[in-house]
Amino acid sequence: LAKTTQPISMDSYEGQEVNITCSHNNIATNDYITWYQQFPSQGPRFIIQGYKTKVTNEVASLFIPADRKSSTLSLPRVSLSDTAVYYCLVGESHNQGGKLIFGQGTELSVKP
Amino acid sequence: GAVVSQHPSRVICKSGTSVKIECRSLDFQATTMFWYRQFPKQSLMLMATSNEGSKATYEQGVEKDKFLINHASLTLSTLTVTSAHPEDSSFYICSALERPGLAGGPLSGNEQFFGPGTRLTVL
Repeated sequence: LAKTTQPISMDSYEGQEVNITCSHNNIATNDYITWYQQFPSQGPRFIIQGYKTKVTNEVASLFIPADRKSSTLSLPRVSLSDTAVYYCLVGESHNQGGKLIFGQGTELSVKP
Repeated sequence: GAVVSQHPSRVICKSGTSVKIECRSLDFQATTMFWYRQFPKQSLMLMATSNEGSKATYEQGVEKDKFLINHASLTLSTLTVTSAHPEDSSFYICSALERPGLAGGPLSGNEQFFGPGTRLTVL
């Protein structure tokens, strides 16, 4: 499984756009890139998933360059409630079992 | 969306006792469930993969005789921490993977649906 590298922590202010970049140099052809959010004492929550190029949903965008060796989670106009740990994962496609390995994550702190 | 529940949400027990944690997929069928452990300020660590009707697959370093996993139905997996000790105190989280082609839910790629976690404290 591909290893991921993210910044340990990031600080931001309310209303700003936050971009968290994840490196996954050894991503495999069948791997998806998935981002999760985790609040203290809660299970992770799915944010967004992609395979290539750009994916956008109601909460975030995911940018994946052509070589897929990195990805960037973009959170538009963050609020205090976006303070959480964000995990970037790469994993096998669903018909391979969906095993995901969590890296260290990025602790995002949003300040007023 | 898909919902995964865990019970109990919090448990305190004495050293040497066994504790059972349940993980349920409430509105979909999950042939595969995963169990994670998370210590304070650390990431989630995958403990084992639980497949319905078969033996669980444990990650390296996880004692299968200490962490008993049973996945007897398509909606329920249990983790039993046997002879718990203070070092087993942790946050235990399960997740469920919906298999495509089964009745009851949408296809979701390799998205896992996570439970809310169980806080285990061993005195």
